Amino acid sequence: DIQMTQSPSTLSASVGDRVTITCRASQSITTWLAWYQQKPGKAPKLLIYKASTLESGVPSRFSGSGSGTEFTLTISSLQSEDFAVYYCQQYNKWPLTFGGGTKVEIK
Amino acid sequence: EVQLLESGGGLVQPGGSLRLSCAASGFSFSNSAMGWVRQAPGEGLEWVSSISGGGNTYSADSVKGRFSLSRDNSMNTLYLQMNSLRAEDTAVYYCARVVFQGAHDYWGQGTLVTVSS
Repeated sequence: DIQMTQSPSTLSASVGDRVTITCRASQSITTWLAWYQQKPGKAPKLLIYKASTLESGVPSRFSGSGSGTEFTLTISSLQSEDFAVYYCQQYNKWPLTFGGGTKVEIK
Repeated sequence: EVQLLESGGGLVQPGGSLRLSCAASGFSFSNSAMGWVRQAPGEGLEWVSSISGGGNTYSADSVKGRFSLSRDNSMNTLYLQMNSLRAEDTAVYYCARVVFQGAHDYWGQGTLVTVSS
């Protein structure tokens, strides 16, 4: 199985900060990677697919990059509604696997 | 508007069975791949199973032989039959549409399955 490792597990930041979350795959997944945002008590929300394509309706302050085994999710200017847990997920091979999550909390 | 509405969750004893349903609307269900993702209390996301529009299924090793995924395209409904349930199957189960060969773009609100004596 492809292991997905996110770092950091928790990130403390302030409104307006630039935030970067890293996701590493245990083997190459080319660009078959998605990013999700999840708020407490809610279902996850797709932010980015194919490593860098922004899902419709997602604010442009979110961006994704990377290929192969290393990927990043960047929030260019953190807003109050962005405090949440973020997950990466690979879909290069079965079984689909998620990273452990990164909690973005208020500093 | 795309809607996914899960039902069928609840409390079940270890070794018991439960069938989850996911009623879909607002998109072409028969042409869409669908799947289930679960989240144990306080934990991260775990993929469970997916089914293509044509009915091919894929499942996590942790549920193979115990869970089976099916769909009724005439009813726009996805099913997850869960047998031989274990305490570690306790989780919120989310139904989701699968797009772009494996990303999940629309999610239901989730249904809680608790396996306990």
